Amino acid sequence: AQTVTQSQPEMSVQEAETVTLSCTYDTSENNYYLFWYKQPPSRQMILVIRQEAYKQQNATENRFSVNFQKAAKSFSLKISDSQLGDTAMYFCAFRMIKAAGNKLTFGGGTRVLVKP
Amino acid sequence: DVKVTQSSRYLVKRTGEKVFLECVQDMDHENMFWYRQDPGLGLRLIYFSYDVKMKEKGDIPEGYSVSREKKERFSLILESASTNQTSMYLCASSPGYRVRNQPQHFGDGTRLSIL
Repeated sequence: AQTVTQSQPEMSVQEAETVTLSCTYDTSENNYYLFWYKQPPSRQMILVIRQEAYKQQNATENRFSVNFQKAAKSFSLKISDSQLGDTAMYFCAFRMIKAAGNKLTFGGGTRVLVKP
Repeated sequence: DVKVTQSSRYLVKRTGEKVFLECVQDMDHENMFWYRQDPGLGLRLIYFSYDVKMKEKGDIPEGYSVSREKKERFSLILESASTNQTSMYLCASSPGYRVRNQPQHFGDGTRLSIL
């Protein structure tokens, strides 16, 4: 079974600075997908960024980028130029290519607080 | 935009009651999911469904059942609610297996308290 570990329960960062969230996973699969989801306080969970394991290039979405290290089974998220609206829970998630129903395995989450 | 709607944001029930949580999606997605979210544990999959009347157990199905009579609706049922089922419940949907890279879309969640 796949497992996803987020080792940082909470992190804080000053507005406009950079913060990096760690995520490691365990799998014997060679092809899979990785995701970062964001859950703002009392609001809906939304997708931040996704990475396909067969792509070596790290995914980027505006101020969000990942550092995907396949051999190390590591998938960290970097938030650059942090904004107050980035305050949220962040979840790392894994999905096998052939997962039944496209189901995800989530990490325990990291709470990010952006301070003014 | 995909809309996943959960029937209640907050719900308070008593031990032993039968509880229904409803979820509706408007994007004709094949897959639907029920998770519970607890601090430090992230999201854990309770049940999922990849087609009408089809269901699969997730990681923590004990004490729960589901129903999917129509494609757009997926219900979670607590047959006899217990205090350890107090949690946040999230519903999600996604396209079928032919569209593998698509993310899951989530509802707002239902915060359920069992007294």
